[in-house]
Amino acid sequence: KAGVTQTPRYLIKTRGQQVTLSCSPISGHRSVSWYQQTPGQGLQFLFEYFSETQRNKGNFPGRFSGRQFSNSRSEMNVSTLELGDSALYLCASSSVRPGRWETQYFGPGTRLLVL
Amino acid sequence: AQKVTQAQTEISVVEKEDVTLDCVYETRDTTYYLFWYKQPPSGELVFLIRRNSFDEQNEISGRYSWNFQKSTSSFNFTITASQVVDSAVYFCALSEAEGNNRLAFGKGNQVVVIP
Repeated sequence: KAGVTQTPRYLIKTRGQQVTLSCSPISGHRSVSWYQQTPGQGLQFLFEYFSETQRNKGNFPGRFSGRQFSNSRSEMNVSTLELGDSALYLCASSSVRPGRWETQYFGPGTRLLVL
Repeated sequence: AQKVTQAQTEISVVEKEDVTLDCVYETRDTTYYLFWYKQPPSGELVFLIRRNSFDEQNEISGRYSWNFQKSTSSFNFTITASQVVDSAVYFCALSEAEGNNRLAFGKGNQVVVIP
């Protein structure tokens, strides 16, 4: 089975611009979560999507948004980029079964640099 | 609120030595899952092990073993006979509530295995 894929892998933007990152989950996985990793704050949960609906949201400003498509692929968008948005953005997918806890599997990440 | 603490930041060992990583967690839930992930320099988080709050049995999987003690809220991880390929950052993570894919991560342990 192919793993979680993320595109692009690297991105350079300037302050004020917006960016869209894409994540394709493992086949059959319907839950997609996004995390931000920075040296200062570590790994922080952004949001989770399941069946095209946002199910959980972390403590990030409204500039960070996401969506999920019917094929479970997900995109996250950051508008009005700030220098502090420079980070590794990781996407994770998992299956969802009632009454069970499923492990999240991560993609390689997108490294975003904001200049 | 859930919280995960990994006190050690960088640990250096000589190849073939054992290395133990400490993880202490906080949660008000009685049902939760604990995880260890490995992040090599490539950036992708690789799932290693998971444990649920109902099962304190400690296990060994290859060169990996873990010690889960609910009484002290600790979930320590040991790599036996370390190898250079084990050099990576290791993260302990906590997930509360069934179906909740929101992972809270510790700050990570940088493990350096010296040949």
